[in-house]
Amino acid sequence: AQKITQTQPGMFVQEKEAVTLDCTYDTSDQSYGLFWYKQPSSGEMIFLIYQGSYDEQNATEGRYSLNFQKARKSANLVISASQLGDSAMYFCAMREGPPGGYQKVTFGTGTKLQVIP
Amino acid sequence: DAGITQSPRHKVTETGTPVTLRCHQTENHRYMYWYRQDPGHGLRLIHYSYGVKDTDKGEVSDGYSVSRSKTEDFLLTLESATSSQTSVYFCAISGVAGGETDTQYFGPGTRLTVL
Repeated sequence: AQKITQTQPGMFVQEKEAVTLDCTYDTSDQSYGLFWYKQPSSGEMIFLIYQGSYDEQNATEGRYSLNFQKARKSANLVISASQLGDSAMYFCAMREGPPGGYQKVTFGTGTKLQVIP
Repeated sequence: DAGITQSPRHKVTETGTPVTLRCHQTENHRYMYWYRQDPGHGLRLIHYSYGVKDTDKGEVSDGYSVSRSKTEDFLLTLESATSSQTSVYFCAISGVAGGETDTQYFGPGTRLTVL
């Protein structure tokens, strides 16, 4: 089974609207972490946001928030007030095991987001 | 931003030639990783290092070797490049000096083409 599943290969959103990028995960570990990265067309991988499995509140970083639903094993990224610069590939990733130490991280296949003016 | 550089940024080589990619960090992070990125596969771990001279294999390590003689440098070597190794290679680091963090920070990537 896929450890990280991103079911939306591509999405469009109107500028200034909110958009949700889906991510489901599969793990039997009790302690794990979930990440989202952005990869613009220039190619670099930019860390956006992190959620730990024991964190009770959803993580937020500026216009990014992570909608963490533990029972459903989902970790969707919500981008509010989309901007043209948000057009990029977005990768969901999961660290299995407790924080610190070696980080075995599994990445999804990504969602390409295009923001329309 | 974490201080991570990769060299070269672009390389074209021929099948059968050796290739070495370099990752250099200025952050004194303990852990370093090499990934490859291919369409439809996301990022896949090739090798990682948990300290000087301490390395281990990832999920796609065949055909690759690594070395780490200093904290700041992590080298990836393709002993005899093949066309299937045409990819974008990313280095990543994690683990701040004096503590641990959860996040991997990535270098700018190296685009390798094997003809």
